[in-house]
Amino acid sequence: DIQLTQSPSSLSASVGDRVTITCRASQTLNSYLNWYQHKPGKAPKLLIYAATFLQTGVPSRFSGRESGTDFTLTISNLQPEDFATYYCQHSYSIPYTFGQGTKLDIK
Amino acid sequence: EVQLVESGGGLVKPGGSLRLACAASGFTFSNSWMGWVRQAPGKGLEWVGRIKTKRDDGTAGYAAPVKGRFTISRDDSKNTLYLQMNSLKTEDTAVYYCTTVVFAVVPACDYWGPGTLVTVSS
Repeated sequence: DIQLTQSPSSLSASVGDRVTITCRASQTLNSYLNWYQHKPGKAPKLLIYAATFLQTGVPSRFSGRESGTDFTLTISNLQPEDFATYYCQHSYSIPYTFGQGTKLDIK
Repeated sequence: EVQLVESGGGLVKPGGSLRLACAASGFTFSNSWMGWVRQAPGKGLEWVGRIKTKRDDGTAGYAAPVKGRFTISRDDSKNTLYLQMNSLKTEDTAVYYCTTVVFAVVPACDYWGPGTLVTVSS
């Protein structure tokens, strides 16, 4: 099975900051990597699909990059509603594993 | 508007069974791959499995911890997805989410239900 290692596991930042979350895959994924935002008590939300494509309705301050087996999610100009837990997930082959998550909270 | 609503959660004893249902509306259910994701208390998201459309052979794939115990099925005439859970263990305690799996260049879980809580405890 493909393993995803997300870092950091937690992150503190302020409104207006720029933050980057990394997801490293155990093998090449050919862009089969998605990012989700999850807030307590709510359903997760798809942010980025295929490594770099912004889901419809997601603000452009969210962006994704791919470099080999490393993937990054960057949030520019953090807004109060962005404080949440973020997960990467691959869909290259069964099982479509999630990363461990990165909890982003207010400094 | 796409809507997914899970039902069937509750308290069950270890070794017991439970069937979850997910009622779908607002899209052509028979044309959509569907999936289940869960979150145990205090833990991260865990992919459970997904089922293809009948047109794409209708097969299901599962995560290792549930393979052989859980079965995903669909009733396209009722626009409903199911998760049959047998031989339940305490570690299956979680909120279970139903998702659509869209092929947006790659498979991705684009719509999610609010979730239903399954508690496995004696």
